[in-house]
Amino acid sequence: EPEVTQTPSHQVTQMGQEVILRCVPISNHLYFYWYRQILGQKVEFLVSFYNNEISEKSEIFDDQFSVERPDGSNFTLKIRSTKLEDSAMYFCASRGASSYNEQFFGPGTRLTVL
Amino acid sequence: QKEVEQNSGPLSVPEGAIASLNCTYSDRGSQSFFWYRQYSGKSPELIMFIYSNGDKEDGRFTAQLNKASQYVSLLIRDSQPSDSATYLCAAMFNNAGNMLTFGGGTRLMVKP
Repeated sequence: EPEVTQTPSHQVTQMGQEVILRCVPISNHLYFYWYRQILGQKVEFLVSFYNNEISEKSEIFDDQFSVERPDGSNFTLKIRSTKLEDSAMYFCASRGASSYNEQFFGPGTRLTVL
Repeated sequence: QKEVEQNSGPLSVPEGAIASLNCTYSDRGSQSFFWYRQYSGKSPELIMFIYSNGDKEDGRFTAQLNKASQYVSLLIRDSQPSDSATYLCAAMFNNAGNMLTFGGGTRLMVKP
C-alpha cells in the first residue's frame, strides 16, 4: 500500500541553524501539507501546497519557514533559523485529486532544537 | 476562530464494550470530518471520514455527524486492547488549502 515517507526520523540541531525536513508524498497525490505537533499538544496546520505554490498557510508559518517541491517526488520544509520553540514532531501529509479530501500522514520527523 | 473540542479523557472501557468518542466544532462552514487514531510517538492514522448528517459504518467503527448540533462522534464496537490510543477528531473547511483543524484528542484505554 502506498504511503508517505519522511526523512530524517529525528533531527537534532542548534538554535539558529537551518534545517530541511524531507517528505515523499504518495506518488499520484497532488496536494501536500505540513503539520506540526508540539509534545502533548494538538496537531497544528502549517501550510498546504498545490500546483507548485502555497494554497494556504497558518500564522505559525512565518518568514522563517519555506516549502519547496524541488523535483517530481520530494516535498521539503525548510526552517531558516531554528528557535527552541520549533522543537516538535513535523508531519507531512498528502491527498489525491479523486479522493474525498482524505489526507494521509507520514511517520513524522522529530525536531529537537538545543 | 475555527475550533474543534474533545474531552481529553482517558476514557476507559472493558474489552468487548462499545467506546463512544465525541467531538464538537465551532465553524458551521466545516464540511468534512475525520477521525484519526494516534499511538504514542506515532503519526495520525486515518480511520474514517464523514460529511453527511447521519451515520457511516466501516467494520467496527461508526461515525455520526449532526451538523445542526455541530457534533461528531465515533463509536468503536467490540473494543480491543489494541484500540488503546488517542483518537483525533479533525474538521475541514473547504477553503483553498483544505487544511485540517484538529481537536486535542481523546485517550482511549481498553482494559482486558
